[in-house]
Amino acid sequence: QKEVEQDPGPLSVPEGAIVSLNCTYSNSAFQYFMWYRQYSRKGPELLMYTYSSGNKEDGRFTAQVDKSSKYISLFIRDSQPSDSATYLCAMSLYNTDKLIFGTGTRLQVFP
Amino acid sequence: KAGVTQTPRYLIKTRGQQVTLSCSPISGHRSVSWYQQTPGQGLQFLFEYFSETQRNKGNFPGRFSGRQFSNSRSEMNVSTLELGDSALYLCASSLVGLNTGELFFGEGSRLTVL
Repeated sequence: QKEVEQDPGPLSVPEGAIVSLNCTYSNSAFQYFMWYRQYSRKGPELLMYTYSSGNKEDGRFTAQVDKSSKYISLFIRDSQPSDSATYLCAMSLYNTDKLIFGTGTRLQVFP
Repeated sequence: KAGVTQTPRYLIKTRGQQVTLSCSPISGHRSVSWYQQTPGQGLQFLFEYFSETQRNKGNFPGRFSGRQFSNSRSEMNVSTLELGDSALYLCASSLVGLNTGELFFGEGSRLTVL
């Protein structure tokens, strides 16, 4: 079993929809949680970063962490075609750039 | 300011050969990490260098090695290539490697092993 599980999708939604992306993890020692977005033929770029349970909002994006359930989510409001990409969750045990990634969820937002 | 630069972007090798990939971090960044990305396994951590020292290492065989130079530029080497080494190799840099959320990735070097 992988340390981090993520549904690969693809997830196809109409423009304007609310998108929910999720990851579960098995190691309760993870402390830092991130969401990255990766466009085709590009490197991942950081969207959200948090180190505590609860919600964090940034524009149309909300990251949610539930450490008791070992579950993290990313919500995208008012989705746009430009949001079409692969979304990767990542987490780490402590303050290090050694991140454990999910396999990514492919999202397609159609006009 | 310039981002993380990786060269070459694409390369094709045959089994048994070796390959060297290069990464130039963002100016001022002292930590460089390497990741392997494949469709089946996703991104997997290879190693991290800070001030020319390997600080963390993932679960890859000894055929995978790396180094960092005094100007923070980094190289990774894969010897005795296998078909399964075909992947996108991503380099990421940060200021000091403490996962402050400022980890920047390059566009990767896509390696195909025939």
